Amino acid sequence: GQNIDQPTEMTATEGAIVQINCTYQTSGFNGLFWYQQHAGEAPTFLSYNVLDGLEEKGRFSSFLSRSKGYSYLLLKELQMKDSASYLCAVMDSNYQLIWGAGTKLIIKP
Amino acid sequence: GAVVSQHPSWVICKSGTSVKIECRSLDFQATTMFWYRQFPKQSLMLMATSNEGSKATYEQGVEKDKFLINHASLTLSTLTVTSAHPEDSSFYICSARDSNSGMETQYFGPGTRLLVL
Repeated sequence: GQNIDQPTEMTATEGAIVQINCTYQTSGFNGLFWYQQHAGEAPTFLSYNVLDGLEEKGRFSSFLSRSKGYSYLLLKELQMKDSASYLCAVMDSNYQLIWGAGTKLIIKP
Repeated sequence: GAVVSQHPSWVICKSGTSVKIECRSLDFQATTMFWYRQFPKQSLMLMATSNEGSKATYEQGVEKDKFLINHASLTLSTLTVTSAHPEDSSFYICSARDSNSGMETQYFGPGTRLLVL
């Protein structure tokens, strides 16, 4: 079966760095997405990785290792507004998105 | 960036009535749109994949006669919840795939909160 694993919840301090991991097992691979979802709102697109390596976009970076079925989202200089759920999703061979359950990130002052 | 709108953002209706939700891609064409449902503190659940000009593909356990999907143009998909009941109360979110982006990225609408009394 297809499976996406990510931690349920993480806590970090304002100004610090946090890494949210995602491991996956899917039927084929056509890219991995990270989305941010604030409580009560729809998800917003953060990043897309299809090749191995690190993609940096401002305070957020996303890393992919296809051989390990592993990705992480790195958030630097954490701000209170970064408190949200972070969803990992993998596009399989049929171009269907397989969603993880999301990681709730709590930022403390 | 790619923008997806959804209308209405809030619906309160009586049990037994039908509710139509519209999803529009504003600055790109979307041959494929997706409808999700999310209950409080739960994960996104894909309901169906909507393809322009053809029938929607429903996920297992989703009643196609209850959740009618019409993807009449490259920028518009509609979801109609027929004979809504209180258990249909949820957050319904659409997304549209921008195939021209080269990333097959799904962009989400702001969602529609449905409350069935």
